[in-house]
Amino acid sequence: DVKVTQSSRYLVKRTGEKVFLECVQDMDHENMFWYRQDPGLGLRLIYFSYDVKMKEKGDIPEGYSVSREKKERFSLILESASTNQTSMYLCASSPETGGGTEAFFGQGTRLTVV
Amino acid sequence: DQQVKQNSPSLSVQEGRISILNCDYTNSMFDYFLWYKKYPAEGPTFLISISSIKDKNEDGRFTVFLNKSAKHLSLHIVPSQPGDSAVYFCAASARSSNTGKLIFGQGTTLQVKP
Repeated sequence: DVKVTQSSRYLVKRTGEKVFLECVQDMDHENMFWYRQDPGLGLRLIYFSYDVKMKEKGDIPEGYSVSREKKERFSLILESASTNQTSMYLCASSPETGGGTEAFFGQGTRLTVV
Repeated sequence: DQQVKQNSPSLSVQEGRISILNCDYTNSMFDYFLWYKKYPAEGPTFLISISSIKDKNEDGRFTVFLNKSAKHLSLHIVPSQPGDSAVYFCAASARSSNTGKLIFGQGTTLQVKP
């Protein structure tokens, strides 16, 4: 079974803090993704990575950065947390098959910025 | 610019009846489509997919239909069960992109009443 594990289920951070969200997958997948889910807006892609040290911006990268130093780990960084970054953050991974495959999601991190 | 749209935020059906969830897309490069199911405080789980070379795919109670000319897909659940109550997201990808990137719709909350 593919397992995608996010380091925290719930986080509360203060405005201006630097926040790290960690994600680890155990299936040797090439692709990894960070989404955020907000009511009425669905899942929006923040950043993704198709190889170690490779990253590409998604649809809403502003205020975020990512790091992928090892294949199994993909970190999302909020450089200076703001209240509008309060959201559910979802990490996913998928194998490199030229597309046409499902992504496997972690359980999500509910981040509240106060 | 919402490339994948689910125009019905919610749907309520009686147990045993058919649930039909709809999804429209605008990008003609999309050629692989997926449905995910999400319970509160959990990550999305893959339900069923369809390639653009098909117009129908079945898996048990779940059937996805694709109308390429209309850029429309739908998920049919027959018969609906109370455990099907969840948020359903449709997603699309372009296999030519080679990144496995999925673009999601806004989601439809399905309530199945006993």
